[in-house]
Amino acid sequence: SAVISQKPSRDICQRGTSLTIQCQVDSQVTMMFWYRQQPGQSLTLIATANQGSEATYESGFVIDKFPISRPNLTFSTLTVSNMSPEDSSIYLCSGQRGYQETQYFGPGTRLLVL
Amino acid sequence: RKEVEQDPGPFNVPEGATVAFNCTYSNSASQSFFWYRQDCRKEPKLLMSVYSSGNEDGRFTAQLNRASQYISLLIRDSKLSDSATYLCVVNPSGAGSYQLTFGKGTKLSVIP
Repeated sequence: SAVISQKPSRDICQRGTSLTIQCQVDSQVTMMFWYRQQPGQSLTLIATANQGSEATYESGFVIDKFPISRPNLTFSTLTVSNMSPEDSSIYLCSGQRGYQETQYFGPGTRLLVL
Repeated sequence: RKEVEQDPGPFNVPEGATVAFNCTYSNSASQSFFWYRQDCRKEPKLLMSVYSSGNEDGRFTAQLNRASQYISLLIRDSKLSDSATYLCVVNPSGAGSYQLTFGKGTKLSVIP
């Protein structure tokens, strides 16, 4: 398994500001992903964080709004830019070692935008 | 047809009962399958992988039916601590792909 931590665990932000969420894995993983989950809803994949190259975004998500970095095989950041109340959600990162293997999740970052 | 479909429930069962969840997937090329558990306000955690031959882990049994494209999870002797949302997870693109598709989850409440 992999142990994944996220910072911050929660935050309350003003609209128009940006928040960067950090994700740290205790061992190297091939793939890292960023998800969003509204209360009571399923996980929505935002993007795949690629080590050393630009992230791959899912339909409906763009780099200008959700810039992602992944400088190495154990760390990634997601920035939620120019926030609005609609961005209030739980943001989760995950890591996966190999294809057909499972993903391990961080504890999530609860974001409230006022 | 949605990629991964589950009955959202809720399933309200008494302690000690046996409960079964089913999940259907649309992509016949899918290669890997999992059940995750998500407690309220917590992250999803792997419960068990699902193998073609079926597998059992204590009170939990997972089955895969490739012909009908469904996965099942059976929980025997339900405990209060089993109360959670159970997510069906599929690798929809088969070999070489890392992405997983998550179902919306089935909520289970085990009642004293």
